[in-house]
Amino acid sequence: DAGVIQSPRHEVTEMGQEVTLRCKPISGHDYLFWYRQTMMRGLELLIYFNNNVPIDDSGMPEDRFSAKMPNASFSTLKIQPSEPRDSAVYFCASTPVERPTGELFFGEGSRLTVL
Amino acid sequence: QKEVEQDPGPLSVPEGAIVSLNCTYSNSAFQYFMWYRQYSRKGPELLMYTYSSGNKEDGRFTAQVDKSSKYISLFIRDSQPSDSATYLCAMKSQGNLIFGKGTKLSVKP
Repeated sequence: DAGVIQSPRHEVTEMGQEVTLRCKPISGHDYLFWYRQTMMRGLELLIYFNNNVPIDDSGMPEDRFSAKMPNASFSTLKIQPSEPRDSAVYFCASTPVERPTGELFFGEGSRLTVL
Repeated sequence: QKEVEQDPGPLSVPEGAIVSLNCTYSNSAFQYFMWYRQYSRKGPELLMYTYSSGNKEDGRFTAQVDKSSKYISLFIRDSQPSDSATYLCAMKSQGNLIFGKGTKLSVKP
C-alpha cells in the first residue's frame, strides 16, 4: 500500500510569496492531520479533518494559513503571504477511524524555507 | 508547565548499550502512551503503544508507563547503529495526540 504522499518535498521561497503544500492520505483513512515541526516547538498540530470536514483548526497560527480538503484523497495547506518564521517541516498524517490509540501514519514531510 | 516534557538530548551511546528514553506529563487524563521513531528527513512512525499503566515488550524495545509518577520510558536493549533516530513520546486521552519534542539518539558502532 502506498503511504501518505506529500509534495513538494522541499520548497524555498521568498517572503511574501504564496506557498501551497499538498497531501494525499492513505486510501480509506477518515482522518487527516497537518502538523508543523521545528526545533524550538517540536511537532505542533495545525488542523485536522474528519471525512473531509475541518474539525479543529485552533492550531493554525494566523489567518495567513488556510487548509482545504476538497475530497477524500487530497488536501492542501496554503500560506499567503509567507514569512521567514514559517520555515519548518510540514507533515501530513492520516488515520482510520477505528484506531482509538491515535496511531498516525505520517508522510515524509515538506521542508519549507522562507527567505 | 508544558503538558509533555522530553529531554531533547542529543544522546550518544556505543553499540550494544542499553538506552533509556523518558517523558514526563502533567495531564492525569492521558490513557494512551506512544513512542514514535523518526529517522532523519523522514516522518515519524509508530514504534510502540501502551494503554494505561504497565510494561510492554517488543523485541529489544520495552515501554513502561508509571501513571502515579506521570512518567513514561522506552528502553532499548543491545542498541544498534540502525536505532539512531529521534524518538518522540506521544500521549492522548479522548482528544488529540500530544507529542514531546523528541530525543535525538545516536548509536556509535
